[in-house]
Amino acid sequence: SAVISQKPSRDICQRGTSLTIQCQVDSQVTMMFWYRQQPGQSLTLIATANQGSEATYESGFVIDKFPISRPNLTFSTLTVSNMSPEDSSIYLCSVQKLDSYGYTFGSGTRLTVV
Amino acid sequence: DAKTTQPNSMESNEEEPVHLPCNHSTISGTDYIHWYRQLPSQGPEYVIHGLTSNVNNRMASLAIAEDRKSSTLILHRATLRDAAVYYCILSTGGYQKVTFGTGTKLQVIP
Repeated sequence: SAVISQKPSRDICQRGTSLTIQCQVDSQVTMMFWYRQQPGQSLTLIATANQGSEATYESGFVIDKFPISRPNLTFSTLTVSNMSPEDSSIYLCSVQKLDSYGYTFGSGTRLTVV
Repeated sequence: DAKTTQPNSMESNEEEPVHLPCNHSTISGTDYIHWYRQLPSQGPEYVIHGLTSNVNNRMASLAIAEDRKSSTLILHRATLRDAAVYYCILSTGGYQKVTFGTGTKLQVIP
């Protein structure tokens, strides 16, 4: 399975600022996804990161708030923009490799907005 | 996405078998049944998946009902390290997004 490096692992940010989270995979993958996990909750899909084109966002998530880039088959970033305390969550990157039905998850970025 | 239903929590004694149920009555013929677990402070990790037949691997067994409307993840001997949230999700074969339900929080009692 793929190995994911997600950075930063945690951060404390001031409201109104932005944070960019990086997801680096050790091999080429077909699909990359970004999830949010609020305290004590399950995972909620934010968007599918598409290589070379705009991400596909789920209902309730918009590009202005969560811009996503995916310049190649091994790397993606998620930016949380104009943060408020309600954005305090764990953000996770997930990937699916070619010819695989399984998904691999990063260890997550724990974000606290103060 | 087809929906799955799991109990919110379960308990098991250490070294005893655990049967974690999942209902997926609206499953389609092409949906694979996946199980993932999330240990504290970690991202979810793959446990097992299957389509129609029962499956075994080094971590667990997956028993799938004949009508495929339910499945059971079996941990043969629970250890303290198996304490986690277990998610049952459905995914059509191919490159598709997956959505998570609420999962079952498993507590293992020493």
